[in-house]
Amino acid sequence: GAGVSQSPSNKVTEKGKDVELRCDPISGHTALYWYRQSLGQGLEFLIYFQGNSAPDKSGLPSDRFSAERTGGSVSTLTIQRTQQEDSAVYLCASSSRSDRAQFKNIQYFGAGTRLSVL
Amino acid sequence: AQKITQTQPGMFVQEKEAVTLDCTYDTSDQSYGLFWYKQPSSGEMIFLIYQGSYDEQNATEGRYSLNFQKARKSANLVISASQLGDSAMYFCAMREVYGNKLVFGAGTILRVKS
Repeated sequence: GAGVSQSPSNKVTEKGKDVELRCDPISGHTALYWYRQSLGQGLEFLIYFQGNSAPDKSGLPSDRFSAERTGGSVSTLTIQRTQQEDSAVYLCASSSRSDRAQFKNIQYFGAGTRLSVL
Repeated sequence: AQKITQTQPGMFVQEKEAVTLDCTYDTSDQSYGLFWYKQPSSGEMIFLIYQGSYDEQNATEGRYSLNFQKARKSANLVISASQLGDSAMYFCAMREVYGNKLVFGAGTILRVKS
């Protein structure tokens, strides 16, 4: 079936503007993750959704970042008042389940959204 | 906190030869999972292989195998019979028992020469 889909693939914005990044997980996957990949910080976890449970927001770098997942499927990552340091590739991943005892719930990634803040 | 170290920023290998990409990790937990991902220039992270901390045998997936040495806390990826299409960035990652996230190393860029 289809993999994880992210849109847009590239986004250029001006400092101070808000941006929305979209992620369509693999059908049937209950867990969804957002990561950020930047030159200085490598790959960093941002947020995790599992079913209807409260999301794990422990990786969000500031309150300008938020995410929601509607209907247990599509997720939107919103960055308000973008700063130049927000420039990065934002990667979304999904997995079939996320049981704490199940280490091998493989996360499948999308191709990412490259965000450039001018 | 868990930490993944990949000490090789870049590696070259001749086509058809084997190459080992190093990964060491630091965790206080006894139960964890180790993953390797490949990221070609297209950007997508591709899952390659998984090793559980209690797995008695080293994981293998086609041309990929994992040299898992638990006492040394290392999980090196071995790619046999390298192909030009193996040229990419490779990431080692870990998930702990109480974690939902993957923690990634800095990655190793592999270049396969013809």
